[in-house]
Amino acid sequence: DIQMTQSPSSLSASVGDRVSITCRSSESISSYLNWYQQKPGGAPKLLIYGASNLQDGVPSRFSGSGYGTEFTLNINDLQPEDFATYYCHQSFSSIAWTFGQGTRVEIK
Amino acid sequence: QVHLQESGPGLVKPSQTLSLTCTVSGGSFSSGDVYWTWIRQSPGKAPEWIGYIYYSGATYSNPSLRSRVTISVDPSKSQFSLSLSSVTVADTAVYYCVRAHGTYVPFDFWGQGILVTVSS
Repeated sequence: DIQMTQSPSSLSASVGDRVSITCRSSESISSYLNWYQQKPGGAPKLLIYGASNLQDGVPSRFSGSGYGTEFTLNINDLQPEDFATYYCHQSFSSIAWTFGQGTRVEIK
Repeated sequence: QVHLQESGPGLVKPSQTLSLTCTVSGGSFSSGDVYWTWIRQSPGKAPEWIGYIYYSGATYSNPSLRSRVTISVDPSKSQFSLSLSSVTVADTAVYYCVRAHGTYVPFDFWGQGILVTVSS
């Protein structure tokens, strides 16, 4: 299986900050990397697909970049509703999709 | 807008079979490039992909669960189902039915999830 490793596991930030989360894959996955946001008690919500494409309805302060084995989710001007857990997901291997372990973004 | 809804028992005894159904509304159930997917999430853990059934009927499942997983589809009812046999307490989780679609097959629509507890 392709292993996905996110860093950091958690971070503390303030409203208005810029936040970056990294996801690394154990082998190249081209651009087959997607990002999700999950709030307590809710299902994950798709933010970014194909490494850098913003899902419809997602605020433009969210952006994604990367290719191959290293990817980044950036959140500019952090808002109160952005405090949540973020997961990356590789869809390169169609017979074994895998998630990162998650990054929790907390209020400083 | 695609809507997915899980249904099934919330409590299953150890060694028995967990069975869930997902009913899909909105969108086209049998359109191409759609993977009807099951994902689960244990408390405090990352989501775990269980498996999917492709619109053609082909199925794939997580190698760690493959021997216990069956995914089937009933296009006439716009439903797909999950069976997980020989469950243990480690299978306690929120189970989501999800649509994956498009070139990068992101999980773009999710059900609300159903908590399944394995306990005697």
